Amino acid sequence: QVQLVESGGGVVQPGRSLRLSCAASGFTFVSYAMHWVRQAPGKGLEWVAVVSSDGLNKSYADSVKGRFAISRDNSKSTLSLQMNSLRPEDTSIYYCARGFGIDARGWFDPWGQGTLVTVSS
Amino acid sequence: DIQMTQSPSSLSASVGDRVTITCQASQDITDYLNWYQQKPGNAPRLLIYDTSILQTGVPSRFSGSGSGTHFTFTIATLQPEDVATYYCQQYDNLPLTFGGGTKVEIK
Repeated sequence: QVQLVESGGGVVQPGRSLRLSCAASGFTFVSYAMHWVRQAPGKGLEWVAVVSSDGLNKSYADSVKGRFAISRDNSKSTLSLQMNSLRPEDTSIYYCARGFGIDARGWFDPWGQGTLVTVSS
Repeated sequence: DIQMTQSPSSLSASVGDRVTITCQASQDITDYLNWYQQKPGNAPRLLIYDTSILQTGVPSRFSGSGSGTHFTFTIATLQPEDVATYYCQQYDNLPLTFGGGTKVEIK
């Protein structure tokens, strides 16, 4: 079955970096755009970034632009999120999700179980 | 950015009741509107895409309608397992944006 499994979360100090990974299985990874969506504790959902199926096109939320970098390795069916210059407001559960729709725009299905990132000194 | 305003932010209803949630977009998004269900401690789950298309495996008591800037999500007969927070999401433009969520509880 289609499965997305995130890893790499943890506690990190402000200003430091962290790299998240998402291992995909059960579908043809190279055929889909992939997204990161986050959720601060007790809060709503915030879209973070998208990468096209070929990895060439990327878009970011303004809140992370210039600090986060999304990438993918289609040979390994893996999605990544490099997070630099982390801030306390980046504290969230980070979900990876498969994208459907029109290029980078569409809906998310399924979602991984999420990985918690806590930015604190 | 397109702002998505959901209402109410929470509601309490009895089993068997009809529940309606609305989602208002700050500009015309045609029918580029999706709905998700998030149960406590779980990842969100896609229920409806393109305003009214039910995702495979989703019970038929869930439905969606609307166009332009005003959208509606309905649970025809509320069940105990429907306790969750529901989110709308637009994909007319990047950045993709979500409504603030509606928490549904059983009275």
